[in-house]
Amino acid sequence: SQQGEEDPQALSIQEGENATMNCSYKTSINNLQWYRQNSGRGLVHLILIRSNEREKHSGRLRVTLDTSKKSSSLLITASRAADTASYFCAALEAGSYQLTFGKGTKLSVIP
Amino acid sequence: NAGVTQTPKFRVLKTGQSMTLLCAQDMNHEYMYWYRQDPGMGLRLIHYSVGEGTTAKGEVPDGYNVSRLKKQNFLLGLESAAPSQTSVYFCASSPRQHYGYTFGSGTRLTVV
Repeated sequence: SQQGEEDPQALSIQEGENATMNCSYKTSINNLQWYRQNSGRGLVHLILIRSNEREKHSGRLRVTLDTSKKSSSLLITASRAADTASYFCAALEAGSYQLTFGKGTKLSVIP
Repeated sequence: NAGVTQTPKFRVLKTGQSMTLLCAQDMNHEYMYWYRQDPGMGLRLIHYSVGEGTTAKGEVPDGYNVSRLKKQNFLLGLESAAPSQTSVYFCASSPRQHYGYTFGSGTRLTVV
């Protein structure tokens, strides 16, 4: 069953703008993770936020988590053409070994 | 460090044939996973392992078997391939339960 669901499905922005992607999930979680996938490649882990954290930063990435709304957001600031990729959220359900992925947001950054 | 290596990268099978996908990691990770990725479906967990000699079913295990005889290797087998198993298969590993995953570059399998 799908745990994480990303919104929007696709996003197109100009280089230098900020990109925001949202994720909703269904059950209690231990942590929520974000991954990037370039076309035809494997997934790359970006950031992990634990259920007792509300915000986390890594370089140009900012992730928030609202467990009361069962939602998370990924903000990429000052986007670059190289940020063009699909972004997936993945939720680790509390007490589970299974990381469940959403269907992804396809981000296009136009130079 | 190679990270997670998957072989082969591409394969075409005829319906009913069998094959084994190999995943090898050199990071001494305890946990390993097999996912499949289909258009519009995201990634779905097939099987996983929490240590050498252990395996468990994920969300979509039917038609697949796995083995983890050595800590660094996780094998995914298709006993009798079906067209519905046409997909891109990803292996991943993690140090333990609450860590991010390292993914391989994938195996693109077509069953005709």
